[in-house]
Amino acid sequence: NAGVTQTPKFQVLKTGQSMTLQCAQDMNHEYMSWYRQDPGMGLRLIHYSVGAGITDQGEVPNGYNVSRSTTEDFPLRLLSAAPSQTSVYFCASSYSIVGNEAFFGQGTRLTVV
Amino acid sequence: AQSVTQLDSQVPVFEEAPVELRCNYSSSVSVYLFWYVQYPNQGLQLLLKYLSGSTLVKGINGFEAEFNKSQTSFHLRKPSVHISDTAEYFCAVIDRGSTLGRLYFGRGTQLTVWP
Repeated sequence: NAGVTQTPKFQVLKTGQSMTLQCAQDMNHEYMSWYRQDPGMGLRLIHYSVGAGITDQGEVPNGYNVSRSTTEDFPLRLLSAAPSQTSVYFCASSYSIVGNEAFFGQGTRLTVV
Repeated sequence: AQSVTQLDSQVPVFEEAPVELRCNYSSSVSVYLFWYVQYPNQGLQLLLKYLSGSTLVKGINGFEAEFNKSQTSFHLRKPSVHISDTAEYFCAVIDRGSTLGRLYFGRGTQLTVWP
């Protein structure tokens, strides 16, 4: 059981480049989300999805897009990378919306130069 | 919207000493409460959770937390820490009535255990 898998683990981008962070889970979880973690800021919600075909914005959505075509996958797209997007990104999933444990991926460390 | 306050950003402690990591949340509505731990260069994993019932919750690795509704707090405790407990700890909250299930995280507390 792989849990939540994120790729890549590390990435360096130039300002203006675009890329997609991949997230896949094999637990048949309905709820998936993306967070960014910055020193002293905790985790901030970027986007989330309550099921295939349904996504919504979180706390810091600007500069990011998501889609949820399948239950398993929830990719995060950076449209035009900026140095302010340098961060560690975590994908998480849970079985149902409320009250259940969230399982986290290992994270993607992104640097934008 | 909820806000979660972890009052200490850094907690240094010697091995075998007791520790308390403090967490307060903003709203008095009914909530679910969680503590997560993050070891260096890893994702977050659940330590314990409070959903209902007894206000004292026991988790993995000897940690426990007590839900105090009147003080809107959910402090994490361990009676005797080990060096392996060195990690960052996050408190998180979900509103029970939420249909979106959004987790609100505190900013984290770095626990460092010294020999």
